[in-house]
Amino acid sequence: DTAVSQTPKYLVTQMGNDKSIKCEQNLGHDTMYWYKQDSKKFLKIMFSYNNKELIINETVPNRFSPKSPDKAHLNLHINSLELGDSAVYFCASSQAPGQGFYEQYFGPGTRLTVT
Amino acid sequence: QKEVEQDPGPLSVPEGAIVSLNCTYSNSAFQYFMWYRQYSRKGPELLMYTYSSGNKEDGRFTAQVDKSSKYISLFIRDSQPSDSATYLCAMRGWSGANSKLTFGKGITLSVRP
Repeated sequence: DTAVSQTPKYLVTQMGNDKSIKCEQNLGHDTMYWYKQDSKKFLKIMFSYNNKELIINETVPNRFSPKSPDKAHLNLHINSLELGDSAVYFCASSQAPGQGFYEQYFGPGTRLTVT
Repeated sequence: QKEVEQDPGPLSVPEGAIVSLNCTYSNSAFQYFMWYRQYSRKGPELLMYTYSSGNKEDGRFTAQVDKSSKYISLFIRDSQPSDSATYLCAMRGWSGANSKLTFGKGITLSVRP
């Protein structure tokens, strides 16, 4: 029933490892997003895909690579993890951007801790 | 200067108090103004949104936007312990580079019974 789901919920790993976070939405939306929330609760967009096409690519280290196999899924792969990557990563989805209001629905978050 | 500045917290009030949460912004292209509520260990949920300047009321919550001052507010009347959460203001423009959602830093509110 969950509209936007993420796996895993918690991820603890060591520096230098590679890890992936998966996101799925069952809302029929065309657009999906990855956000990073730091320890001070600041939420910042990283990437956005519309119908499997990358439309927003913020200034993010290229160790982060999103991948959208289809409209309902958006995964985030992180190479060579660093301590500063520790944060909560949120996936979100919405109808396609355009004029007018559209709501972004957020997943429950993946809490990544790099040791 | 950050694009969106939000009053720092945390904020602790007694039950029944009126709470005022505020954000300022610098990008005049912003047209949609939102307030998200985030409970501990959960994802943000949209509480209210306003288009352009004006007020919007929903139960105990009132959102205000003053585009001339680039200032937005969320008022919570008769605050309840269940209102304890982090509140994030967010805003965006019509399209293009301004269509992405830009958030304030968030303020954590605690309502004491």
